[in-house]
Amino acid sequence: EDQVTQSPEALRLQEGESSSLNCSYTVSGLRGLFWYRQDPGKGPEFLFTLYSAGEEKEKERLKATLTKKESFLHITAPKPEDSATYLCAVQRRSNDYKLSFGAGTTVTVRA
Amino acid sequence: DAGVIQSPRHEVTEMGQEVTLRCKPISGHNSLFWYRQTMMRGLELLIYFNNNVPIDDSGMPEDRFSAKMPNASFSTLKIQPSEPRDSAVYFCASSLQGAQTGELFFGEGSRLTVL
Repeated sequence: EDQVTQSPEALRLQEGESSSLNCSYTVSGLRGLFWYRQDPGKGPEFLFTLYSAGEEKEKERLKATLTKKESFLHITAPKPEDSATYLCAVQRRSNDYKLSFGAGTTVTVRA
Repeated sequence: DAGVIQSPRHEVTEMGQEVTLRCKPISGHNSLFWYRQTMMRGLELLIYFNNNVPIDDSGMPEDRFSAKMPNASFSTLKIQPSEPRDSAVYFCASSLQGAQTGELFFGEGSRLTVL
Protein backbone atom coordinates (compact mmCIF):
# COMPACT_ATOMS: atom_id res chain seq x y z
CA GLU A 1 0.00 0.00 0.00
CA ASP A 2 1.38 3.39 -1.00
CA GLN A 3 1.86 5.85 1.82
CA VAL A 4 2.06 9.61 1.50
CA THR A 5 2.60 11.72 4.61
CA GLN A 6 2.55 15.49 4.52
CA SER A 7 3.83 17.82 7.20
CA PRO A 8 3.02 20.08 8.82
CA GLU A 9 -0.77 19.76 8.75
CA ALA A 10 -1.11 23.54 8.91
CA LEU A 11 1.27 26.43 8.40
CA ARG A 12 0.66 30.07 9.20
CA LEU A 13 3.03 32.53 7.57
CA GLN A 14 3.47 36.25 7.49
CA GLU A 15 3.55 37.75 4.02
CA GLY A 16 7.13 37.50 2.77
CA GLU A 17 8.09 34.76 5.24
CA SER A 18 9.50 31.87 3.18
CA SER A 19 8.93 28.28 4.27
CA SER A 20 8.83 24.67 3.08
CA LEU A 21 6.27 21.89 3.06
CA ASN A 22 7.27 18.26 3.28
CA CYS A 23 5.87 15.19 1.53
CA SER A 24 7.41 11.86 2.49
CA TYR A 25 6.38 8.78 0.57
CA THR A 26 6.64 5.02 0.47
CA VAL A 27 5.74 3.50 -2.86
CA SER A 28 6.77 0.40 -4.72
CA GLY A 29 8.45 1.76 -7.83
CA LEU A 30 7.77 5.48 -8.04
CA ARG A 31 6.64 6.64 -11.43
CA GLY A 32 6.00 10.25 -10.50
CA LEU A 33 5.24 12.63 -7.65
CA PHE A 34 2.75 15.44 -8.14
CA TRP A 35 1.81 18.61 -6.32
CA TYR A 36 -1.67 20.12 -6.39
CA ARG A 37 -3.17 23.23 -4.86
CA GLN A 38 -6.74 23.24 -3.50
CA ASP A 39 -8.66 26.38 -2.61
CA PRO A 40 -11.66 26.18 -0.24
CA GLY A 41 -14.75 24.90 -2.02
CA LYS A 42 -12.81 24.07 -5.18
CA GLY A 43 -11.26 21.03 -6.75
CA PRO A 44 -7.51 20.42 -6.69
CA GLU A 45 -5.49 22.26 -9.31
CA PHE A 46 -2.35 20.71 -10.79
CA LEU A 47 0.99 22.41 -10.07
CA PHE A 48 3.98 20.15 -10.78
CA THR A 49 5.17 16.71 -11.84
CA LEU A 50 8.51 15.34 -10.62
CA TYR A 51 9.86 12.07 -12.00
CA SER A 52 13.35 11.53 -10.62
CA ALA A 53 15.48 12.37 -7.59
CA GLY A 54 17.23 15.67 -7.99
CA GLU A 55 14.57 17.12 -10.26
CA GLU A 56 13.23 20.61 -9.52
CA LYS A 57 10.27 22.54 -10.92
CA GLU A 58 9.39 26.19 -10.37
CA LYS A 59 6.30 28.30 -10.82
CA GLU A 60 6.20 31.86 -9.58
CA ARG A 61 6.93 31.70 -5.82
CA LEU A 62 6.75 27.90 -5.66
CA LYS A 63 9.57 25.43 -6.15
CA ALA A 64 9.22 21.67 -5.84
CA THR A 65 12.12 19.29 -5.30
CA LEU A 66 12.36 15.51 -5.12
CA THR A 67 14.62 13.03 -3.34
CA LYS A 68 14.32 9.27 -3.13
CA LYS A 69 12.18 9.47 0.01
CA GLU A 70 10.54 12.87 0.04
CA SER A 71 9.59 16.01 -1.78
CA PHE A 72 9.61 19.60 -0.65
CA LEU A 73 7.48 22.48 -1.79
CA HIS A 74 9.29 25.73 -1.08
CA ILE A 75 7.26 28.91 -0.93
CA THR A 76 9.43 31.98 -1.36
CA ALA A 77 8.18 35.37 -0.12
CA PRO A 78 4.56 34.19 0.00
CA LYS A 79 1.60 36.46 -0.60
CA PRO A 80 -1.92 36.12 0.81
CA GLU A 81 -3.08 34.64 -2.51
CA ASP A 82 -0.77 31.67 -1.87
CA SER A 83 -3.09 30.63 0.96
CA ALA A 84 -4.47 27.19 0.08
CA THR A 85 -4.16 23.50 0.87
CA TYR A 86 -1.25 21.90 -0.95
CA LEU A 87 -1.63 18.23 -1.79
CA CYS A 88 1.08 15.78 -2.71
CA ALA A 89 0.35 12.61 -4.68
CA VAL A 90 2.38 9.64 -5.92
CA GLN A 91 1.96 7.21 -8.77
CA ARG A 92 3.42 3.75 -9.20
CA ARG A 93 5.44 2.80 -12.23
CA SER A 94 3.09 -0.15 -12.74
CA ASN A 95 -0.03 2.02 -12.90
CA ASP A 96 -0.57 4.95 -15.24
CA TYR A 97 -3.82 6.28 -13.82
CA LYS A 98 -4.00 6.00 -10.02
CA LEU A 99 -2.77 8.83 -7.83
CA SER A 100 -2.45 8.27 -4.08
CA PHE A 101 -2.87 11.58 -2.28
CA GLY A 102 -1.56 12.80 1.05
CA ALA A 103 -3.77 14.62 3.52
CA GLY A 104 -2.38 18.01 2.57
CA THR A 105 -0.83 21.03 4.25
CA THR A 106 -3.05 24.06 4.76
CA VAL A 107 -1.08 27.26 4.30
CA THR A 108 -2.39 30.59 5.55
CA VAL A 109 -0.46 33.73 4.60
CA ARG A 110 -1.30 36.86 6.56
CA ALA A 111 -0.80 40.31 5.09
CA ASP B 1 -12.79 26.52 -22.60
CA ALA B 2 -15.13 25.16 -19.95
CA GLY B 3 -13.60 22.96 -17.31
CA VAL B 4 -15.08 19.85 -15.75
CA ILE B 5 -18.68 20.55 -14.81
CA GLN B 6 -20.33 18.80 -11.88
CA SER B 7 -23.87 18.91 -10.58
CA PRO B 8 -25.37 19.37 -8.13
CA ARG B 9 -22.84 21.45 -6.16
CA HIS B 10 -24.62 20.66 -2.94
CA GLU B 11 -27.00 17.84 -2.05
CA VAL B 12 -28.70 17.20 1.25
CA THR B 13 -30.70 14.02 1.51
CA GLU B 14 -32.04 11.59 4.04
CA MET B 15 -30.65 8.17 4.75
CA GLY B 16 -32.04 5.59 2.38
CA GLN B 17 -32.63 7.96 -0.52
CA GLU B 18 -31.03 7.58 -3.92
CA VAL B 19 -28.39 10.14 -4.89
CA THR B 20 -27.15 10.79 -8.42
CA LEU B 21 -24.12 12.97 -9.08
CA ARG B 22 -23.33 14.14 -12.59
CA CYS B 23 -20.18 15.07 -14.45
CA LYS B 24 -19.34 16.55 -17.82
CA PRO B 25 -15.63 16.12 -18.60
CA ILE B 26 -13.51 18.45 -20.69
CA SER B 27 -14.15 17.92 -24.38
CA GLY B 28 -11.49 15.74 -25.95
CA HIS B 29 -10.39 14.10 -22.72
CA ASN B 30 -10.65 10.32 -22.82
CA SER B 31 -10.05 9.56 -19.14
CA LEU B 32 -12.50 10.21 -16.33
CA PHE B 33 -12.09 9.73 -12.62
CA TRP B 34 -14.45 9.90 -9.64
CA TYR B 35 -12.78 10.78 -6.33
CA ARG B 36 -14.19 11.18 -2.82
CA GLN B 37 -12.72 13.58 -0.27
CA THR B 38 -13.29 13.37 3.49
CA MET B 39 -11.41 14.76 6.46
CA MET B 40 -10.64 11.26 7.70
CA ARG B 41 -9.47 9.61 4.49
CA GLY B 42 -8.50 12.49 2.23
CA LEU B 43 -8.87 12.06 -1.53
CA GLU B 44 -9.64 8.52 -2.64
CA LEU B 45 -10.08 7.20 -6.15
CA LEU B 46 -13.45 5.51 -6.54
CA ILE B 47 -13.49 4.57 -10.22
CA TYR B 48 -11.56 5.21 -13.42
CA PHE B 49 -12.96 5.19 -16.97
CA ASN B 50 -10.91 5.18 -20.14
CA ASN B 51 -12.69 5.76 -23.45
CA ASN B 52 -16.02 5.38 -21.61
CA VAL B 53 -15.09 1.91 -20.28
CA PRO B 54 -14.68 1.30 -16.53
CA ILE B 55 -11.10 0.17 -16.01
CA ASP B 56 -10.77 0.11 -12.23
CA ASP B 57 -13.68 0.24 -9.79
CA SER B 58 -11.79 -1.26 -6.87
CA GLY B 59 -12.22 1.96 -4.89
CA MET B 60 -16.00 1.85 -4.95
CA PRO B 61 -16.89 1.29 -1.30
CA GLU B 62 -19.67 -1.25 -1.75
CA ASP B 63 -22.52 -2.34 -3.96
CA ARG B 64 -24.55 0.71 -3.03
CA PHE B 65 -22.25 2.71 -5.31
CA SER B 66 -22.41 2.52 -9.08
CA ALA B 67 -21.00 4.64 -11.89
CA LYS B 68 -21.74 4.88 -15.58
CA MET B 69 -20.31 6.67 -18.56
CA PRO B 70 -22.77 6.30 -21.43
CA ASN B 71 -20.81 8.61 -23.73
CA ALA B 72 -17.66 10.70 -23.83
CA SER B 73 -19.35 13.79 -22.44
CA PHE B 74 -21.29 12.48 -19.46
CA SER B 75 -20.85 10.34 -16.37
CA THR B 76 -22.93 9.62 -13.29
CA LEU B 77 -22.15 8.33 -9.83
CA LYS B 78 -25.14 6.85 -8.04
CA ILE B 79 -25.54 5.90 -4.40
CA GLN B 80 -28.56 3.76 -3.52
CA PRO B 81 -29.46 3.64 -0.70
CA SER B 82 -27.45 6.48 0.80
CA GLU B 83 -26.08 6.35 4.35
CA PRO B 84 -24.72 9.09 6.66
CA ARG B 85 -21.17 7.76 6.22
CA ASP B 86 -21.41 8.61 2.52
CA SER B 87 -21.32 12.30 3.43
CA ALA B 88 -18.30 13.74 1.61
CA VAL B 89 -17.25 15.89 -1.33
CA TYR B 90 -17.29 13.93 -4.56
CA PHE B 91 -14.99 15.13 -7.33
CA CYS B 92 -14.98 14.26 -10.98
CA ALA B 93 -11.74 14.74 -12.91
CA SER B 94 -10.76 14.25 -16.53
CA SER B 95 -7.50 14.02 -18.44
CA LEU B 96 -5.79 12.94 -21.63
CA GLN B 97 -4.44 9.39 -21.34
CA GLY B 98 -4.97 8.45 -17.73
CA ALA B 99 -2.65 10.19 -15.30
CA GLN B 100 0.60 9.68 -17.17
CA THR B 101 1.62 13.28 -16.68
CA GLY B 102 -0.12 13.53 -13.32
CA GLU B 103 -2.24 16.37 -14.61
CA LEU B 104 -5.88 15.76 -13.80
CA PHE B 105 -8.49 18.49 -14.26
CA PHE B 106 -10.90 18.46 -11.35
CA GLY B 107 -14.40 19.85 -11.18
CA GLU B 108 -15.55 21.95 -8.26
CA GLY B 109 -17.09 18.95 -6.54
CA SER B 110 -20.48 17.88 -5.25
CA ARG B 111 -20.85 18.20 -1.49
CA LEU B 112 -23.16 15.45 -0.24
CA THR B 113 -24.74 15.45 3.18
CA VAL B 114 -26.77 12.41 4.20
CA LEU B 115 -28.89 12.94 7.30
